Amino acid sequence: GQNIDQPTEMTATEGAIVQINCTYQTSGFNGLFWYQQHAGEAPTFLSYNVLDGLEEKGRFSSFLSRSKGYSYLLLKELQMKDSASYLCAVYNTDKLIFGTGTRLQVFP
Amino acid sequence: DARVTQTPRDKVTEMGQEVTMRCQPILGHNTVFWYRQTMMQGLELLAYFRNRAPLDDSGMPKDRFSAEMPDATLATLKIQPSEPRDSAVYFCASGLAPGTEAFFGQGTRLTVV
Repeated sequence: GQNIDQPTEMTATEGAIVQINCTYQTSGFNGLFWYQQHAGEAPTFLSYNVLDGLEEKGRFSSFLSRSKGYSYLLLKELQMKDSASYLCAVYNTDKLIFGTGTRLQVFP
Repeated sequence: DARVTQTPRDKVTEMGQEVTMRCQPILGHNTVFWYRQTMMQGLELLAYFRNRAPLDDSGMPKDRFSAEMPDATLATLKIQPSEPRDSAVYFCASGLAPGTEAFFGQGTRLTVV
Protein backbone atom coordinates (compact mmCIF):
# COMPACT_ATOMS: atom_id res chain seq x y z
CA GLY A 1 0.00 0.00 0.00
CA GLN A 2 0.94 3.65 0.12
CA ASN A 3 0.40 6.40 2.63
CA ILE A 4 1.56 10.00 2.75
CA ASP A 5 0.73 12.01 5.87
CA GLN A 6 0.92 15.73 6.54
CA PRO A 7 -0.71 18.02 9.11
CA THR A 8 -3.96 19.46 7.80
CA GLU A 9 -3.43 23.06 8.86
CA MET A 10 -0.73 25.29 10.32
CA THR A 11 -0.54 28.96 11.20
CA ALA A 12 2.47 31.23 11.54
CA THR A 13 3.41 34.89 11.79
CA GLU A 14 4.95 37.03 9.07
CA GLY A 15 8.76 36.97 9.33
CA ALA A 16 8.83 33.69 11.28
CA ILE A 17 10.07 30.21 10.31
CA VAL A 18 7.71 27.26 9.83
CA GLN A 19 8.43 23.57 9.31
CA ILE A 20 5.89 21.35 7.54
CA ASN A 21 6.42 17.64 8.11
CA CYS A 22 5.60 14.74 5.82
CA THR A 23 5.84 11.02 6.52
CA TYR A 24 5.42 8.39 3.86
CA GLN A 25 5.12 4.66 3.38
CA THR A 26 5.30 3.55 -0.22
CA SER A 27 6.22 0.32 -1.96
CA GLY A 28 8.78 2.13 -4.11
CA PHE A 29 10.70 5.40 -3.92
CA ASN A 30 12.07 7.49 -6.75
CA GLY A 31 12.10 10.96 -5.17
CA LEU A 32 10.10 13.25 -2.88
CA PHE A 33 8.63 16.52 -4.12
CA TRP A 34 7.09 19.57 -2.48
CA TYR A 35 4.52 21.67 -4.31
CA GLN A 36 2.82 24.94 -3.42
CA GLN A 37 -0.80 25.53 -4.32
CA HIS A 38 -2.60 28.85 -3.87
CA ALA A 39 -6.38 28.75 -3.63
CA GLY A 40 -7.99 28.32 -7.03
CA GLU A 41 -4.68 27.71 -8.78
CA ALA A 42 -2.62 24.76 -9.98
CA PRO A 43 0.17 23.22 -7.87
CA THR A 44 3.63 24.58 -8.65
CA PHE A 45 6.92 22.80 -7.99
CA LEU A 46 9.01 23.95 -5.01
CA SER A 47 11.69 21.38 -4.29
CA TYR A 48 12.90 17.85 -4.82
CA ASN A 49 14.90 15.34 -2.74
CA VAL A 50 16.08 11.94 -3.85
CA LEU A 51 19.06 11.53 -1.50
CA ASP A 52 19.12 12.03 2.26
CA GLY A 53 19.89 15.50 3.48
CA LEU A 54 18.94 19.11 3.07
CA GLU A 55 18.28 20.95 -0.18
CA GLU A 56 18.23 24.73 0.08
CA LYS A 57 16.55 27.04 -2.38
CA GLY A 58 16.35 30.65 -1.23
CA ARG A 59 13.82 30.96 1.60
CA PHE A 60 12.73 27.34 1.14
CA SER A 61 14.61 24.21 2.23
CA SER A 62 13.57 20.58 2.12
CA PHE A 63 14.98 17.66 4.07
CA LEU A 64 14.74 13.93 3.45
CA SER A 65 15.46 10.83 5.52
CA ARG A 66 14.70 7.75 3.44
CA SER A 67 15.32 5.32 6.31
CA LYS A 68 12.70 7.10 8.40
CA GLY A 69 10.27 7.79 5.56
CA TYR A 70 10.32 11.44 6.57
CA SER A 71 10.67 14.82 4.96
CA TYR A 72 10.09 18.41 5.96
CA LEU A 73 9.73 21.70 4.16
CA LEU A 74 11.21 24.70 5.95
CA LEU A 75 10.00 28.17 5.06
CA LYS A 76 12.02 31.11 6.41
CA GLU A 77 11.22 34.82 6.63
CA LEU A 78 7.56 34.11 6.04
CA GLN A 79 5.62 36.51 3.87
CA MET A 80 1.88 36.95 3.54
CA LYS A 81 2.06 35.54 0.01
CA ASP A 82 3.29 32.22 1.48
CA SER A 83 -0.28 31.54 2.67
CA ALA A 84 -1.12 28.50 0.55
CA SER A 85 -1.38 24.73 0.66
CA TYR A 86 1.86 22.75 0.61
CA LEU A 87 1.70 19.31 -0.94
CA CYS A 88 4.15 16.50 -0.27
CA ALA A 89 4.41 13.99 -3.12
CA VAL A 90 6.36 10.77 -3.58
CA TYR A 91 7.36 9.15 -6.83
CA ASN A 92 6.36 5.56 -6.09
CA THR A 93 8.43 3.83 -8.77
CA ASP A 94 6.82 5.56 -11.77
CA LYS A 95 3.72 7.25 -10.41
CA LEU A 96 3.56 10.53 -8.49
CA ILE A 97 1.37 10.23 -5.38
CA PHE A 98 0.32 13.22 -3.29
CA GLY A 99 -0.51 13.70 0.35
CA THR A 100 -3.65 15.66 1.22
CA GLY A 101 -1.65 18.85 1.76
CA THR A 102 -1.02 21.28 4.60
CA ARG A 103 -2.88 24.57 4.53
CA LEU A 104 -0.60 27.31 5.88
CA GLN A 105 -1.99 30.64 7.00
CA VAL A 106 0.45 33.49 7.61
CA PHE A 107 -0.75 36.30 9.84
CA PRO A 108 0.70 39.81 10.07
CA ASP B 1 6.61 29.44 -23.12
CA ALA B 2 6.25 25.74 -22.31
CA ARG B 3 3.17 24.91 -20.32
CA VAL B 4 0.51 22.25 -19.92
CA THR B 5 -2.76 23.40 -21.45
CA GLN B 6 -6.14 22.10 -20.33
CA THR B 7 -9.56 22.72 -21.85
CA PRO B 8 -12.18 23.63 -20.90
CA ARG B 9 -11.32 25.66 -17.79
CA ASP B 10 -14.84 25.36 -16.45
CA LYS B 11 -17.64 22.97 -17.30
CA VAL B 12 -21.16 22.78 -15.93
CA THR B 13 -23.20 19.83 -17.11
CA GLU B 14 -26.30 17.91 -16.20
CA MET B 15 -26.18 14.50 -14.61
CA GLY B 16 -26.04 11.75 -17.23
CA GLN B 17 -24.23 13.82 -19.86
CA GLU B 18 -20.85 12.93 -21.31
CA VAL B 19 -17.92 15.13 -20.34
CA THR B 20 -14.60 15.26 -22.20
CA MET B 21 -11.58 17.05 -20.76
CA ARG B 22 -8.49 17.68 -22.87
CA CYS B 23 -4.84 18.19 -22.06
CA GLN B 24 -1.87 19.21 -24.17
CA PRO B 25 1.32 18.18 -22.35
CA ILE B 26 4.60 20.05 -22.67
CA LEU B 27 6.36 19.09 -25.90
CA GLY B 28 8.89 16.35 -25.27
CA HIS B 29 7.41 15.19 -21.99
CA ASN B 30 6.76 11.45 -22.06
CA THR B 31 4.81 11.09 -18.81
CA VAL B 32 1.24 12.37 -18.40
CA PHE B 33 -0.87 12.20 -15.24
CA TRP B 34 -4.57 12.84 -14.61
CA TYR B 35 -5.56 13.90 -11.09
CA ARG B 36 -8.85 14.80 -9.42
CA GLN B 37 -8.88 17.27 -6.54
CA THR B 38 -11.62 17.75 -3.97
CA MET B 39 -11.55 19.40 -0.57
CA MET B 40 -12.05 16.06 1.15
CA GLN B 41 -9.69 13.83 -0.83
CA GLY B 42 -6.91 16.10 -1.98
CA LEU B 43 -5.13 15.19 -5.22
CA GLU B 44 -6.09 11.67 -6.31
CA LEU B 45 -4.22 9.99 -9.14
CA LEU B 46 -6.72 8.72 -11.70
CA ALA B 47 -4.46 7.50 -14.53
CA TYR B 48 -1.05 7.99 -16.06
CA PHE B 49 0.71 7.37 -19.34
CA ARG B 50 4.31 6.80 -20.41
CA ASN B 51 5.10 7.33 -24.09
CA ARG B 52 1.33 7.42 -24.73
CA ALA B 53 0.81 3.94 -23.24
CA PRO B 54 -1.54 3.72 -20.24
CA LEU B 55 0.41 2.33 -17.27
CA ASP B 56 -2.11 2.47 -14.47
CA ASP B 57 -5.71 3.59 -14.33
CA SER B 58 -6.63 1.81 -11.11
CA GLY B 59 -7.62 5.14 -9.54
CA MET B 60 -10.52 5.60 -11.96
CA PRO B 61 -14.07 4.26 -11.71
CA LYS B 62 -13.82 1.98 -14.75
CA ASP B 63 -17.50 1.86 -15.53
CA ARG B 64 -17.77 5.56 -16.31
CA PHE B 65 -14.26 7.01 -16.72
CA SER B 66 -11.84 6.49 -19.59
CA ALA B 67 -8.46 8.04 -20.36
CA GLU B 68 -6.66 7.99 -23.68
CA MET B 69 -3.70 9.53 -25.45
CA PRO B 70 -4.48 9.49 -29.16
CA ASP B 71 -1.20 11.25 -29.93
CA ALA B 72 1.77 12.82 -28.14
CA THR B 73 0.11 16.24 -28.02
CA LEU B 74 -3.28 15.24 -26.64
CA ALA B 75 -4.55 13.39 -23.60
CA THR B 76 -8.27 13.03 -22.91
CA LEU B 77 -10.34 12.12 -19.87
CA LYS B 78 -13.97 11.19 -20.45
CA ILE B 79 -16.79 10.65 -18.03
CA GLN B 80 -19.95 8.94 -19.31
CA PRO B 81 -22.44 9.20 -17.74
CA SER B 82 -21.47 12.00 -15.36
CA GLU B 83 -22.79 12.11 -11.78
CA PRO B 84 -22.92 14.91 -9.18
CA ARG B 85 -20.19 13.17 -7.15
CA ASP B 86 -17.81 13.71 -10.10
CA SER B 87 -17.83 17.45 -9.36
CA ALA B 88 -14.20 18.39 -8.72
CA VAL B 89 -11.18 20.05 -10.30
CA TYR B 90 -9.39 17.76 -12.75
CA PHE B 91 -5.70 18.41 -13.30
CA CYS B 92 -3.40 17.13 -15.98
CA ALA B 93 0.37 17.14 -15.37
CA SER B 94 3.30 16.16 -17.55
CA GLY B 95 6.92 15.26 -16.81
CA LEU B 96 10.10 14.63 -18.75
CA ALA B 97 10.74 11.24 -17.14
CA PRO B 98 9.94 9.24 -13.97
CA GLY B 99 11.48 10.87 -10.94
CA THR B 100 11.48 14.37 -12.40
CA GLU B 101 9.17 17.23 -11.56
CA ALA B 102 5.67 17.23 -12.99
CA PHE B 103 4.20 20.44 -14.41
CA PHE B 104 0.50 21.05 -13.90
CA GLY B 105 -2.10 22.55 -16.18
CA GLN B 106 -4.58 25.09 -14.81
CA GLY B 107 -7.23 22.43 -14.32
CA THR B 108 -10.82 21.89 -15.42
CA ARG B 109 -13.43 22.76 -12.80
CA LEU B 110 -16.31 20.35 -13.39
CA THR B 111 -19.73 20.84 -11.86
CA VAL B 112 -22.37 18.17 -12.43
CA VAL B 113 -25.88 19.23 -11.46
